[in-house]
Amino acid sequence: SQQGEEDPQALSIQEGENATMNCSYKTSINNLQWYRQNSGRGLVHLILIRSNEREKHSGRLRVTLDTSKKSSSLLITASRAADTASYFCATDEDYNTDKLIFGTGTRLQVFP
Amino acid sequence: DTEVTQTPKHLVMGMTNKKSLKCEQHMGHRAMYWYKQKAKKPPELMFVYSYEKLSINESVPSRFSPECPNSSLLNLHLHALQPEDSALYLCASSRLAGVDEQYFGPGTRLTVT
Repeated sequence: SQQGEEDPQALSIQEGENATMNCSYKTSINNLQWYRQNSGRGLVHLILIRSNEREKHSGRLRVTLDTSKKSSSLLITASRAADTASYFCATDEDYNTDKLIFGTGTRLQVFP
Repeated sequence: DTEVTQTPKHLVMGMTNKKSLKCEQHMGHRAMYWYKQKAKKPPELMFVYSYEKLSINESVPSRFSPECPNSSLLNLHLHALQPEDSALYLCASSRLAGVDEQYFGPGTRLTVT
């Protein structure tokens, strides 16, 4: 069964605005990752946060992890048209760390 | 070199054909993966190879046959596919299985007629 559910499913914003995407998962995890996918292309790794971390930053990206609520959020600040893509969270499973399970994804559209 | 390459980019095949998808990485990664992705859906894991041995097969039909000839190469052999197998097939690699970020190739867009 699918590990992560993301909301919103789709998000449209103007350039310069912030975009927040949320991910919820079902079982214990060792780490959670966020990936970006431009239309019809491969995925690009954005950030990995481990279960003992609560917040992580990378450039304009900020990721939080709340293991008590089994949820994570990805914040993109000062968005650009080039940020238009689908964003997926992905988790391992506590009993099977070889396996990465992707969430349903959020389609972000940033208008210039 | 942080690139994962996949060939071909596009493939159209009939249900009786046999074809292969190829994936290559030269990052020294010891884990490689095949995913299937349908339109507007997340990638679904098919196979995991760790140290050139198949470690996970997600109950994939036998018409998909993976092969890992060496640590840099991963193949997916296709035979007697169905139209519903049409999808984007993504290859990925990571330093070790599970704990690390994965590097994805651009994918092969497969159409089964």
